[in-house]
Amino acid sequence: GGIITQTPKFLIGQEGQKLTLKCQQNFNHDTMYWYRQDSGKGLRLIYYSITENDLQKGDLSEGYDASREKKSSFSLTVTSAQKNEMAVFLCASGGASAETLYFGSGTRLTVL
Amino acid sequence: GQQVQQSPASLVLQEGENAELQCNFSTSLNSMQWFYQRPGGSLVSLFYNPSGTKHSGRLTSTTVIKERRSSLHISSSQTTDSGTYLCALAMNYNQGKLIFGQGTKLSIKP
Repeated sequence: GGIITQTPKFLIGQEGQKLTLKCQQNFNHDTMYWYRQDSGKGLRLIYYSITENDLQKGDLSEGYDASREKKSSFSLTVTSAQKNEMAVFLCASGGASAETLYFGSGTRLTVL
Repeated sequence: GQQVQQSPASLVLQEGENAELQCNFSTSLNSMQWFYQRPGGSLVSLFYNPSGTKHSGRLTSTTVIKERRSSLHISSSQTTDSGTYLCALAMNYNQGKLIFGQGTKLSIKP
């Protein structure tokens, strides 16, 4: 079976700092996603990528950059961390349909 | 407004009781999924159920497209069922972009 690995598991940064979250998958899936989950709320889509070097904005892309240098990895950068961004960031990968969507265990971001 | 509404927001039950979780959506869909999330854990897909009824052990999912609702029924609940249950819909079948509800936090007491 495959696995999605997110690093780091916990990320602490200063307000205004640029922070990068990483995600690796070995399912050989084409599409990868970054979602943000705020406490007590559902997930919201930040960025997704349907193939290597492709980037598509989600509903919450402002303040974030993403990078898909190879099929197996998808990085998310918080361009200038803000205190209201403290949340869990979840990476997912999938095939052509939503049925084959798998999630990583998340990166919890704290901004001081 | 919110495209996917889940209810209740939280539910506390005694072990052995049945749980009924609801998901209502305000737009047409191509797929409906139910996920389970342990505290601090990743999401695990429970059901991919665009329409009709599906069963998996003690879990049953029913989606009624005409009524724009989906439900998740847990029978004979166990303490290990505790966690957050999220429903999500995809409007575009090919892209897998999901719109999530806010989740139901389920606590099962021994």
